[in-house]
Amino acid sequence: KQEVTQIPAALSVPEGENLVLNCSFTDSAIYNLQWFRQDPGKGLTSLLLIQSSQREQTSGRLNASLDKSSGRSTLYIAASQPGDSATYLCAVISNTGKLIFGQGTTLQVKP
Amino acid sequence: NAGVTQTPKFQVLKTGQSMTLQCAQDMNHEYMSWYRQDPGMGLRLIHYSVGAGITDQGEVPNGYNVSRSTTEDFPLRLLSAAPSQTSVYFCASSLGQPRGEKLFFGSGTQLSVL
Repeated sequence: KQEVTQIPAALSVPEGENLVLNCSFTDSAIYNLQWFRQDPGKGLTSLLLIQSSQREQTSGRLNASLDKSSGRSTLYIAASQPGDSATYLCAVISNTGKLIFGQGTTLQVKP
Repeated sequence: NAGVTQTPKFQVLKTGQSMTLQCAQDMNHEYMSWYRQDPGMGLRLIHYSVGAGITDQGEVPNGYNVSRSTTEDFPLRLLSAAPSQTSVYFCASSLGQPRGEKLFFGSGTQLSVL
């Protein structure tokens, strides 16, 4: 059974720091992986989608990498800002289209 | 372009009552799904649909019913509400199967069952 783990559960950093959020999964037979952002009381917003054949995707200050063989993905946020404060979730998608979510990392960026 | 719209945003029910959570999308997405989000459990798939007239069960379908008569709408019905169904419910859609497409989420319905 696929399990997705995100460590740490919470992270607090000063503004301007570069930071890395981690996502690990137990079954490397995935189709793709998505990173989402969730603001308090809101739905999820898709940030980046990495196909299993890709190693990374970039969008602005965000860079997501994928290493299927080791069952890991990282989300790199450059020059963090208070507006980046949110919960970040990763989800792996199996070959049958099933999404398994991690429990998220809650990020606080202090001014 | 409104995206994925969920109503209501908040609802309180008594045990045994029934209700329908509404979900509509205006992006002509074929794939629609319902998740519940619980502390410590993450997001879990309840039901999904790959197109009008086609629905299937997800990870936690018991106590819920769905139908998909149009491409735009995918309502979730609670047949007889139980306290265990207290949760935040999210509807999500994508153009095709989520294997290759980004998922778009609604803003959620917070449901309390007393």
